[in-house]
Amino acid sequence: QTVVTQEPSFSVSPGGTVTLTCGLSSGSVSTSYYPSWYQQTPGQAPRTLIYSTNARSSGVPDRFSGSILGNKAALTITGAQADDESDYYCVLYMSSGIWVFGGGTKLTVL
Amino acid sequence: EVQLVESGGGLVQPGGSLRLSCAASGFTFSSYWMHWVRQAPGKGLVWVSRINSDGSSTNYADSVKGRFTISRDNAKNTLYLQINSLRAEETAVYYCARGVSPAWFDPWGQGTLVTVSS
Repeated sequence: QTVVTQEPSFSVSPGGTVTLTCGLSSGSVSTSYYPSWYQQTPGQAPRTLIYSTNARSSGVPDRFSGSILGNKAALTITGAQADDESDYYCVLYMSSGIWVFGGGTKLTVL
Repeated sequence: EVQLVESGGGLVQPGGSLRLSCAASGFTFSSYWMHWVRQAPGKGLVWVSRINSDGSSTNYADSVKGRFTISRDNAKNTLYLQINSLRAEETAVYYCARGVSPAWFDPWGQGTLVTVSS
């Protein structure tokens, strides 16, 4: 069974830069997995940040960017702000026609 | 405005059934794939199922295959999820989301809570 891995938690200082990653238990993430990233605050529905590896969803600030770093998909937040404190989820599309979410990363800004 | 509104959640006993609905508005519903994603309390997002635009093709997560059925009524702009043989560990908020080509979700509904308990 395919497992998508994310850091359980991360901390960044206000104004700092942080990179969250999204990997596979076996193998490398490539653009063929169409990685996308979602932000979720408690009690709210997820919000789309990045799709197809590095495309920003409408209205998403340009301090959010996506890429492939090594064998993982990555979400980089440049100039972190207090309201970036959220849970972040990546999801990968599998060739079998299913999607698999990572376990999510809880980002703290302090 | 593109909007998705889920309904049909509630309290159900283990082994019971429920049908969730997702009413879509603000876009041409019949042109899009649709998905269900769930989230247990305090846990992460889990993809459940997807259906293509005309309802002729579906996929399911292994954990729900054979017990959940996704369907849609394009005339009513509504997505459904029939969930059977529910287990306590399937207590979760169930979200519907529009599928955007090639493979992402946007927007998401606000979710409907399913509680499985005796």
